[in-house]
Amino acid sequence: NAGVMQNPRHLVRRRGQEARLRCSPMKGHSHVYWYRQLPEEGLKFMVYLQKENIIDESGMPKERFSAEFPKEGPSILRIQQVVRGDSAAYFCASSPFGHDTGELFFGEGSRLTVL
Amino acid sequence: GESVGLHLPTLSVQEGDNSIINCAYSNSASDYFIWYKQESGKGPQFIIDIRSNMDKRQGQRVTVLLNKTVKHLSLQIAATQPGDSAVYFCAEKDAGGTSYGKLTFGQGTILTVHP
Repeated sequence: NAGVMQNPRHLVRRRGQEARLRCSPMKGHSHVYWYRQLPEEGLKFMVYLQKENIIDESGMPKERFSAEFPKEGPSILRIQQVVRGDSAAYFCASSPFGHDTGELFFGEGSRLTVL
Repeated sequence: GESVGLHLPTLSVQEGDNSIINCAYSNSASDYFIWYKQESGKGPQFIIDIRSNMDKRQGQRVTVLLNKTVKHLSLQIAATQPGDSAVYFCAEKDAGGTSYGKLTFGQGTILTVHP
């Protein structure tokens, strides 16, 4: 049973370009979360999605960031016009429907470097 | 200009010793707490959780203690092994949160186990 798959693992972008990060949740999981981690810091919640719905995006920056979890295919975190401050590790996590614990299954992360 | 990095708390122990990792939280409305372990270059991995109506919970070689009076959480690892070397994060969920997966993570503690 494959775990949460994220790609790319590493991504380098120049300022002003777009970054697209993909996440395939564990089989049978219908909840997806995106977290951001700056160096030597804890993870910061960004967005919580279910299939075709954004449930909570209170941690997303108001501009340039968007997320989706379509009916078919992986969840996508999109960052437009990247700036150096967007350099971070972006982690996706999934959980099964109706879960009542904080046991999230994390992917290995996508590390974005903005030059 | 020169950037100053944050310095995470560190704990160094000898193999076989017991480890205690501490965490202070500030949100008195948090009703659920979790410990995660993150190895270098990987995503966080769930260790153990505890609800606010409990003050102690035990797992395999790990124990979590919760003191709501002083808003303090600790993780005890018995007979620490080199494989326990990682960064340990406490995380909490607000009672009004949309999901158990929407967590607030602490800064983290680096645990190093010497053989």
